[in-house]
Amino acid sequence: EVQLVQSGAEVKKPGESLKISCKGSGYSFTSYWIGWVRQMPGKGLEWMGIIYPGDSDTRYSPSFQGQVTISADKSISTAYLQWSSLKASDTAMYYCARRGVGDYWFDPWGQGTLVTVSS
Amino acid sequence: EIVLTQSPATLSLSPGERATLSCRASQSVSSYLAWYQQKPGQAPRLLIYDASNRATGIPARFSGSGSGTDFTLTISSLEPEDFAVYYCQQRSNWPLMYTFGQGTKLEIK
Repeated sequence: EVQLVQSGAEVKKPGESLKISCKGSGYSFTSYWIGWVRQMPGKGLEWMGIIYPGDSDTRYSPSFQGQVTISADKSISTAYLQWSSLKASDTAMYYCARRGVGDYWFDPWGQGTLVTVSS
Repeated sequence: EIVLTQSPATLSLSPGERATLSCRASQSVSSYLAWYQQKPGQAPRLLIYDASNRATGIPARFSGSGSGTDFTLTISSLEPEDFAVYYCQQRSNWPLMYTFGQGTKLEIK
């Protein structure tokens, strides 16, 4: 079974750093793109960026370029999303999702990681 | 940048009724459009890709149609578990962007 399992919920203070993870299993991790999607409380889905773990090719949405860093460690089939200095406005659910080479849709999705930033 | 506009924002129907959800693109996306379902507290789930192809395990009551700029997701006879939020999504190549519509909430009447 193809699965993406994300790390657990986080509570952080403004200015702190954070790295959340997404571990793939049941497929060749280096052959599919992994995207990250933000969902702010009560709002819709926003694409943040995408990485190809095979060669670490990474693309960002202009809205998130410079705000987050996406990386991957193919030796442990894990993708990451990180912040160097969190803001209260980063409070959201973050999903990772697999995208096929040549495709544009995302399937499956991880269960989500809730990030809460509050002083 | 291609913008996806979904309508209506909220659709109130009863179980057994037919649901018709719309997604309009600001410019042609050919047939490169996907639909997702999101239930409260859950991650989105892929329903439809390439405008009309059902994803693995998706019931036949879900169907998609359209091409170019106008797309429709139809649920032929609503089951209680179908009440959720539905999103459409596409990809543009320049600049590279994966865009979601703002969602349609399908609620029980």
